[in-house]
Amino acid sequence: AQSVAQPEDQVNVAEGNPLTVKCTYSVSGNPYLFWYVQYPNRGLQFLLKYITGDNLVKGSYGFEAEFNKSQTSFHLKKPSALVSDSALYFCAVRDIGGYQKVTFGTGTKLQVIP
Amino acid sequence: DAGVIQSPRHEVTEMGQEVTLRCKPISGHDYLFWYRQTMMRGLELLIYFNNNVPIDDSGMPEDRFSAKMPNASFSTLKIQPSEPRDSAVYFCASSLGGWALGSEAFFGQGTRLTVV
Repeated sequence: AQSVAQPEDQVNVAEGNPLTVKCTYSVSGNPYLFWYVQYPNRGLQFLLKYITGDNLVKGSYGFEAEFNKSQTSFHLKKPSALVSDSALYFCAVRDIGGYQKVTFGTGTKLQVIP
Repeated sequence: DAGVIQSPRHEVTEMGQEVTLRCKPISGHDYLFWYRQTMMRGLELLIYFNNNVPIDDSGMPEDRFSAKMPNASFSTLKIQPSEPRDSAVYFCASSLGGWALGSEAFFGQGTRLTVV
């Protein structure tokens, strides 16, 4: 069975500093990995995904994530945080197996402090 | 495209009443998903459709829940009768190709349902 863990409920970072939101996963095969962001009272917005290819994936709003197979991680990063990045971030994983189900993490609240 | 459109945005109803949530997916998308989000359980897949056909409804919690997709541009999720424990945010999402092909899903803004 596939699973995903976001070990930090909340991450605080000062504006202008680099940010990292952690995600680890467990699958039986090669994973498809996704990051979404949710602003208050809004739906989830797609940021980026890893399917295959380069381990470093670049996405929307200056975010990037690195797929690390040996550590089974897919951490979300941004070189310089903005106050407007404050939101809830979800990591999701799909185990390759022919089904249309992804498992979402519990979410990490990112607070960027001015 | 305006994205996935859900209505209503907020719904407050009394226990025992019927509730219908509506969704218009992105034009051309062949997969439609209904999710429920709660603090306790996070995001849960309720049901998904492929080309308007329900494929997997194993996430639907009870027979009180039903979903339809009469055409490619419209889907409904109905709860009858509603109970307080159904209070949650319900999201509709659509995708071209679906998660199995590595295609991301696009989510609507959700319907916040409160059953009193």
